[in-house]
Amino acid sequence: GAVVSQHPSRVICKSGTSVKIECRSLDFQATTMFWYRQFPKQSLMLMATSNEGSKATYEQGVEKDKFLINHASLTLSTLTVTSAHPEDSSFYICSARDLTSGGYEQYFGPGTRLTVT
Amino acid sequence: AQKITQTQPGMFVQEKEAVTLDCTYDTSDQSYGLFWYKQPSSGEMIFLIYQGSYDEQNATEGRYSLNFQKARKSANLVISASQLGDSAMYFCATFLSSGSARQLTFGSGTQLTVLP
Repeated sequence: GAVVSQHPSRVICKSGTSVKIECRSLDFQATTMFWYRQFPKQSLMLMATSNEGSKATYEQGVEKDKFLINHASLTLSTLTVTSAHPEDSSFYICSARDLTSGGYEQYFGPGTRLTVT
Repeated sequence: AQKITQTQPGMFVQEKEAVTLDCTYDTSDQSYGLFWYKQPSSGEMIFLIYQGSYDEQNATEGRYSLNFQKARKSANLVISASQLGDSAMYFCATFLSSGSARQLTFGSGTQLTVLP
């Protein structure tokens, strides 16, 4: 199956700093990428949908100025958590699909565990 | 909007036995898809099985089968011959085929523990 990578896998940052998380599709072109957030023992919550070359669509309640998403190429989307606070500590997972394939598959990255101290 | 309900926060099963994880969904759309994912403690989301709303036969993938009852809006996952490595969190998810991006909506999950 298709492979999606995320970098970094773990990151610890200080409160007030910004952190960038990369999501890459390694062997297919991801016209659409999704960013999810998962708190311990909870489900995945969709944060935003990003389409290559256009602005991301954020879910209700997600601050677009705090969680900046850029999908500049067909293989890379980035999520930047700006002015991070301890409550932003969470597991962030991206997924990607290739709309041109016509399939239903959505491929997940391995996730990034963010800890804000 | 579609909604997914998993009513079993935790389940235990003896090794080599079968287990059924429940999932019900609520959608008024005729065209949709249902997924099951496994999430071990490492956090990665592992795709297990998919069922389209128009698929007449229940999906099967190795030891995994999906008991799809459209009238009841349920899509239960059956794991046969449980193994210790099956211990993980299991999520049911759905998307609307009519949506252009096909965003997934996840249930709350079921933590499965396989006992030796």
